[in-house]
Amino acid sequence: QSVLTQPPSVSAAPGQKVTISCSGSSSNIGNNYVSWYQQLPGTAPKLLIYENNRRPSGIPDRFSGSKSGTSATLGITGLQTGDEADYYCGTWDSSLGAVVFGGGTKLTVL
Amino acid sequence: QVQLQESGPGLVKPSETLSLTCAVSGYSISSGFYWGWIRQSPGKGLEWIGSFYHSGYTYYNPSLKSRVTISGDTSKNQFSLKLSSVTATDTALYYCARATRSDHFDFWGQGSLVTVSS
Repeated sequence: QSVLTQPPSVSAAPGQKVTISCSGSSSNIGNNYVSWYQQLPGTAPKLLIYENNRRPSGIPDRFSGSKSGTSATLGITGLQTGDEADYYCGTWDSSLGAVVFGGGTKLTVL
Repeated sequence: QVQLQESGPGLVKPSETLSLTCAVSGYSISSGFYWGWIRQSPGKGLEWIGSFYHSGYTYYNPSLKSRVTISGDTSKNQFSLKLSSVTATDTALYYCARATRSDHFDFWGQGSLVTVSS
């Protein structure tokens, strides 16, 4: 089991909006920055969101991040078939002394 | 543009040591940032192995700490991973990546598949 909990899968239609949750505790999300990664099939993870809600250069504003308490959320608007991928949240866990990731969420664009 | 490329044997025997190297281009590892290794078992999620800073500071996942060594070679602008006493559970796709002080990974290599088998 992962330290951070994500839903195994989410789905939505093209053009719609989807959110992916990431639940943790005070030792990780509650007191540290959260990042989000997109892993397209057969490729390396790609940074989408860092420091809870900041987007690296080149990431469209369709992708957004937020954090509240011990949970974080990735939002994707205007869904495209090319957004079909696995999405992971990550953060530092102060109790474990380790970077931890969620188990990943598979996004299907119907 | 920062680029990372992993290299090393694709097959390692049980009980032996897994060794991988990550060559970095487009940025000097001695200029800053942390440099890390993350692995992904087949069909599974991501697991952080450890990270190092060019000064020599390293920090490892406690679950792997007793078997892991990460080191850097600034003259070749690369860093390495050694994982000892491997078993089949260490079979995974190993990624190297650049890490920041806020513990996110902004540039990744393409990954190197390592299979542990006799």
